[in-house]
Amino acid sequence: GAVVSQHPSWVICKSGTSVKIECRSLDFQATTMFWYRQFPKQSLMLMATSNEGSKATYEQGVEKDKFLINHASLTLSTLTVTSAHPEDSSFYICSAAGRVGTDTQYFGPGTRLTVL
Amino acid sequence: GNSVTQMEGPVTLSEEAFLTINCTYTATGYPSLFWYVQYPGEGLQLLLKATKADDKGSNKGFEATYRKETTSFHLEKGSVQVSDSAVYFCALSDYSGNTPLVFGKGTRLSVIA
Repeated sequence: GAVVSQHPSWVICKSGTSVKIECRSLDFQATTMFWYRQFPKQSLMLMATSNEGSKATYEQGVEKDKFLINHASLTLSTLTVTSAHPEDSSFYICSAAGRVGTDTQYFGPGTRLTVL
Repeated sequence: GNSVTQMEGPVTLSEEAFLTINCTYTATGYPSLFWYVQYPGEGLQLLLKATKADDKGSNKGFEATYRKETTSFHLEKGSVQVSDSAVYFCALSDYSGNTPLVFGKGTRLSVIA
């Protein structure tokens, strides 16, 4: 099946620094990637939708200047949390959809961000 | 807007017990419906899906039937195992694949031997 990877799997950073999370589709071309955020014991909340070569579409309430998303190729999307603060600590999950012959999104394993 | 409501957990069952996790949805049109599973320390995995009314999705002994009349997609398994312990998410999308998923809050299942 289609595989989506995320890097890093976990990261700890100091308040005020920026953190970049990568999402890669390993064996298919992802025309669309989604970024979700999951709080402890809660569901996934969509942050933004990213299409290759165009600007991401952010959900209401998500600051685009704080959560920078770049989808530079059909296999890579990045989420950069700028000037991170403790309230940004969360589990960030990407998913990818594309020309794999099915109508399914494939999820990465997630990145746990802890901001001190 | 679209929404998914699933039963609150946690659910604790003995091995070989029957499992039902209820899921109902609100959507315009005819959404596709999914169940995802998240094992401890891992990412979400698609468990099963159904794309139109009366479709039954099945995988690993789990089943769910797309019921348009009751706007439901309840997950069932006849005999759970300890290895089924995980968090289960019901989700929908307007169209399959390239549209975002709307998730329920998740139901944590613990199966004890």
